[in-house]
Amino acid sequence: DSGVTQTPKHLITATGQRVTLRCSPRSGDLSVYWYQQSLDQGLQFLIQYYNGEERAKGNILERFSAQQFPDLHSELNLSSLELGDSALYFCASSVGGDRETQYFGPGTRLLVL
Amino acid sequence: GENVEQHPSTLSVQEGDSAVIKCTYSDSASNYFPWYKQELGKRPQLIIDIRSNVGEKKDQRIAVTLNKTAKHFSLHITETQPEDSAVYFCAPHKAAGNKLTFGGGTRVLVKP
Repeated sequence: DSGVTQTPKHLITATGQRVTLRCSPRSGDLSVYWYQQSLDQGLQFLIQYYNGEERAKGNILERFSAQQFPDLHSELNLSSLELGDSALYFCASSVGGDRETQYFGPGTRLLVL
Repeated sequence: GENVEQHPSTLSVQEGDSAVIKCTYSDSASNYFPWYKQELGKRPQLIIDIRSNVGEKKDQRIAVTLNKTAKHFSLHITETQPEDSAVYFCAPHKAAGNKLTFGGGTRVLVKP
């Protein structure tokens, strides 16, 4: 157990809908990262937050948005969902925001029908 | 952006043999080089990392070697065991604020 929690574990929804994924980092970690992993694919970096502020941005679609709250938990919002958004979404956390070990959560498996 | 390539994409070895995975990157500003292991259906976990001021690092059966001039780093697993079967990802890092790019992954199968 990495100490990073994600909810929900599974999510099934329909095209066009909006969902929110939640991540709580390890105690003391200030950075949160979001990744998308499609079936048999690698890890695609979406976005990083550090202490409430956006730190780095990857290949995140405009339909997706994220934020980190004062208590350091983070939410990833996915809207106007498409079939291709079906994937495993991981969040990870690290102590700081720069070139450190990332601890991954168990992931949220999203299925868009 | 950074180009990161891993080779091979799949690797099948006999138990007890060694496995080597190479990660090539394009940005010379990268200076932190971790390897993550992801078992089937589980989360990625860091298994070893190295920083640019070091050429090699070992941890029991696992080692990482870095060639900054050639811009590649490699994961070495000796005396492979069935529990080493997993997908391995490299992820060269630059300074904060930069997009992170993971390699495409190497699926390792250790045959008993």
